[in-house]
Amino acid sequence: DAEITQSPRHKITETGRQVTLACHQTWNHNNMFWYRQDLGHGLRLIHYSYGVQDTNKGEVSDGYSVSRSNTEDLPLTLESAASSQTSVYFCASSESGGTGEAFFGQGTRLTVV
Amino acid sequence: AQSVSQHNHHVILSEAASLELGCNYSYGGTVNLFWYVQYPGQHLQLLLKYFSGDPLVKGIKGFEAEFIKSKFSFNLRKPSVQWSDTAEYFCAVSPNTNAGKSTFGDGTTLTVKP
Repeated sequence: DAEITQSPRHKITETGRQVTLACHQTWNHNNMFWYRQDLGHGLRLIHYSYGVQDTNKGEVSDGYSVSRSNTEDLPLTLESAASSQTSVYFCASSESGGTGEAFFGQGTRLTVV
Repeated sequence: AQSVSQHNHHVILSEAASLELGCNYSYGGTVNLFWYVQYPGQHLQLLLKYFSGDPLVKGIKGFEAEFIKSKFSFNLRKPSVQWSDTAEYFCAVSPNTNAGKSTFGDGTTLTVKP
């Protein structure tokens, strides 16, 4: 079965360190997204991509970057981790030209100390 | 830009009670609408979706939602909730012209007491 896999599932890092969260999907979807989930804020879009070499900023992109070198992967990098980036991160994908239904990974719980 | 508003942040019900969670969106064009559910410790899963046709859509586990275009609403309903419905529920909207980039509401936490 197709799926979307995030790693690691849990991570603790120190302030100022660079951190990369992995996202790999086998749906062969062109669209991929990174969200963060915080209490009281629901899911907020960080970055998204509509295909290889395409990346776009979402509503909370400051301090984050992504790259898309193939269809399957969209790694999220925190350039210099801050305590405000402690959150649960979800990667999602959807079919290009489809209805917008998103398929989510299991999430990565990141703690910045 | 589109926005989504969920009226209830936390709902507590007893088993067998009826459920209705409100969702309103703002967007000037045609949209696709979704409800996702997130069980404790799990990822989001699609509950149901609307993109055309009958405005009353049925999803998994006995949930349904009605799209009322004139009210920009897509409320979620279930006639009789179960303890296993305890979860967080998210309404989301995706513009038809840019399907894929969804905007989510802040979520509603549903607690069902046995």
